[in-house]
Parts: sequence; structure tokens; C-alpha cells
Amino acid sequence: RKEVEQDPGPFNVPEGATVAFNCTYSNSASQSFFWYRQDCRKEPKLLMSVYSSGNEDGRFTAQLNRASQYISLLIRDSKLSDSATYLCVVNKRGQGGKLIFGQGTELSVKP
Amino acid sequence: EPEVTQTPSHQVTQMGQEVILRCVPISNHLYFYWYRQILGQKVEFLVSFYNNEISEKSEIFDDQFSVERPDGSNFTLKIRSTKLEDSAMYFCASSVPGTNEKLFFGSGTQLSVL
Repeated sequence: RKEVEQDPGPFNVPEGATVAFNCTYSNSASQSFFWYRQDCRKEPKLLMSVYSSGNEDGRFTAQLNRASQYISLLIRDSKLSDSATYLCVVNKRGQGGKLIFGQGTELSVKP
Repeated sequence: EPEVTQTPSHQVTQMGQEVILRCVPISNHLYFYWYRQILGQKVEFLVSFYNNEISEKSEIFDDQFSVERPDGSNFTLKIRSTKLEDSAMYFCASSVPGTNEKLFFGSGTQLSVL
């Protein structure tokens, strides 16, 4: 089983749509959780950290369910500029910057 | 905004040759990393470096790989004898003490081994 699994995608949505990404992780020792964004052949960029209480940053909302080992990202009112690959990322307790990346889900927002 | 810089952006080499990929981390960062991404695949951890020594490495980071911080600013990844399967985008990253999970990535070096 992969350590981090994501929806395969791609997701093709119209502007203004709400889109949800799901992710599961296999290691219960995972401690920290993130969503990164990656544009084509560019570096990953941190979008947001994910906390058990859930957190929101503008149009983006992230949720974590430790019992189910499940992470989600919701994008509301999607923009053309949201088109990218969204990476679910976890790391284990005591392993600092050793991040475990999911395969990523590609999002394409169309006019 | 400070950023991690990597050079070169593209490197083409012949199989069996040595390559050195260079990185300049953000100046007040103390944790340094190399990751790689083979085309169409996920980003994979290679190695982390702190206090002038490797703190962790993955199975990918075998004896053909080495890292060095030769001076106060550069952080390098050396591949001694490149293989075709080493072709990938290599990302350098750094992080701040105390928040070493929040990584800042460089724009990467695309390595092509022919």
C-alpha cells in the first residue's frame, strides 16, 4: 500500500466550481500534514498546513481526520490560476523535513 | 522574498559521468534537503543535512550519491557515475530551525543522462 494515496485525477472543472481533493495515508505515526501545489515541471510550493481542527485560507479549506487517516482539500470558486497539481504531503514524528509526497492530483480549471 | 537558488537549471551528461548539482539555501536556514522527481512520478526524498552531516537518507541515496556544504552558502549533490535512471528533476530545499517541516524548494535542476 502506498504511504500517501490521492485521487488519480485529472479534474476538469469550470471556473467558479467547487472542487474537493482527497488523500489517505497509511502510517499512523504520521504527524504533520500539508497540501503543496506544483505547476508543470516546477518546484512544489506549500499551499497550507493541515490541522486536526481544520483550517481555512481564503477559498481553500483543509481537513484532517486522524482516525480515518484521511486528509482533504476544498477549493471554492475556482480560478483559472488554480490549475496545477495538488500534492498531499505527510511526515512522521521525529523526521522533520523528510516529507512523503503523494502522486498528486491534477486540476484543470476551464473558462 | 528570499529564495533557494539552484544551478544549473538543466544538465545533460553521458552515462558514467560525474555531475554536481548546486544549491544556495536561504541564508538563515540550517536544514537542507535534496529531493528528486522522475518525469510523471511523485516527488521523492533523497537526503537531509544538518550541522554538517547527513541526518537522514533514503534507499535511493546509495554510495553513488554524496552531499557537501563546502562553504557557508552552497549545498551540493554529487552523483559519481550517473545512470540512465538518474534522469530526473532534482530539487534542493531548506528550512528554518524549529519549523523544519516547512520546506522552501528551489526551482530544480533537470538532469538528463544519455
